[in-house]
Amino acid sequence: DTGVSQNPRHKITKRGQNVTFRCDPISEHNRLYWYRQTLGQGPEFLTYFQNEAQLEKSRLLSDRFSAERPKGSFSTLEIQRTEQGDSAMYLCASGQGAGAPLHFGNGTRLTVT
Amino acid sequence: GENVEQHPSTLSVQEGDSAVIKCTYSDSASNYFPWYKQELGKRPQLIIDIRSNVGEKKDQRIAVTLNKTAKHFSLHITETQPEDSAVYFCAASKAGNQFYFGTGTSLTVIP
Repeated sequence: DTGVSQNPRHKITKRGQNVTFRCDPISEHNRLYWYRQTLGQGPEFLTYFQNEAQLEKSRLLSDRFSAERPKGSFSTLEIQRTEQGDSAMYLCASGQGAGAPLHFGNGTRLTVT
Repeated sequence: GENVEQHPSTLSVQEGDSAVIKCTYSDSASNYFPWYKQELGKRPQLIIDIRSNVGEKKDQRIAVTLNKTAKHFSLHITETQPEDSAVYFCAASKAGNQFYFGTGTSLTVIP
């Protein structure tokens, strides 16, 4: 068990560009969550999957954000036409089933210039 | 949706003293309440959790209490040490759905 892995660790992009992040959960975990965290704030929910099914997406989430988990293993989070307000740490977490504790990855820090 | 409030936002204690962080939640159906510790530049890590069928849980120097009637839960750290310095987040979840997090408490333990 190597824990939750996220790539890349850092991403700097120019406004208007598209970016994609990857998350590899703990192998036996069927739930995968994406959160966004800005300085001084708690993690803000974006979306989560059970296996390959996307069960919930935050109402606050712009349609520029999309996430996939095609085979129920790794997941990708894409942000299209990035804006400066998208700059944040994007955290992925996984869990074994409903109501199980979350195990977080180290995050991808996005900076939009 | 659920709303989790956390207080205080910053807390400084002398080494060896106790620290208490409080959270309130709005959805009475929430039934799982974990606490996470996040050191600077690192991932949040689970330190203790409690489910709604239990009023208190303890693990060495860390304890969590839950008052379902009042809809609040608290983290208690006794005999604090400098390595306890970090940001602590509470969270609430119901029926195995998403987790809602508090805004965090930055704890500083002064040697």
